[in-house]
Amino acid sequence: NAGVTQTPKFQVLKTGQSMTLQCAQDMNHEYMSWYRQDPGMGLRLIHYSVGAGITDQGEVPNGYNVSRSTTEDFPLRLLSAAPSQTSVYFCASSKTRVVNTEAFFGQGTRLTVV
Amino acid sequence: AQSVTQPDIHITVSEGASLELRCNYSYGATPYLFWYVQSPGQGLQLLLKYFSGDTLVQGIKGFEAEFKRSQSSFNLRKPSVHWSDAAEYFCAVGLNAGNNRKLIWGLGTSLAVNP
Repeated sequence: NAGVTQTPKFQVLKTGQSMTLQCAQDMNHEYMSWYRQDPGMGLRLIHYSVGAGITDQGEVPNGYNVSRSTTEDFPLRLLSAAPSQTSVYFCASSKTRVVNTEAFFGQGTRLTVV
Repeated sequence: AQSVTQPDIHITVSEGASLELRCNYSYGATPYLFWYVQSPGQGLQLLLKYFSGDTLVQGIKGFEAEFKRSQSSFNLRKPSVHWSDAAEYFCAVGLNAGNNRKLIWGLGTSLAVNP
């Protein structure tokens, strides 16, 4: 039972480079989201999706793009990496958008931008 | 504005000792309340949740939490801590917000367990 799978686990980028963080879930969940976790700031929502073809911005969307072409996949794209994007990124999914459904998290991607 | 406060940044307990992690929230209505645990190098895992009904809720791994409306608190407890409980613990308040589900997270409490 894979759950939520994120790749890569670690990544170092140079300022200005672009990359895609992959996220896939095999639970047929409707809702998927991306968070970043920074010391002293907790978890902050970047983007979310309530179903295939539907995405929207969270609290801190600048510098990131997402798409949801299938139910399973929700990649996060960094357009032009900046040192401020150094963080741990988590993808999460839930069966529905209703808040009382459990969120399942991937293991995270630790990104360093130099 | 809604907020979640976890007053203790770091707690150390001895194995076998009891544990209480504090969580206070600010929200006008009865909130949806959650505790998640993050083991080193892992994602977050749901320990337990409260929506309504019995104010004492049981979770996985022997954890329980009590909702106290008068104190705006949702403290997490465990009667006897195991070394494997060393982790980061997050309290969160959830609310449905239009097309989205909104989770407001505390900053976490890091738990260390002495042998």
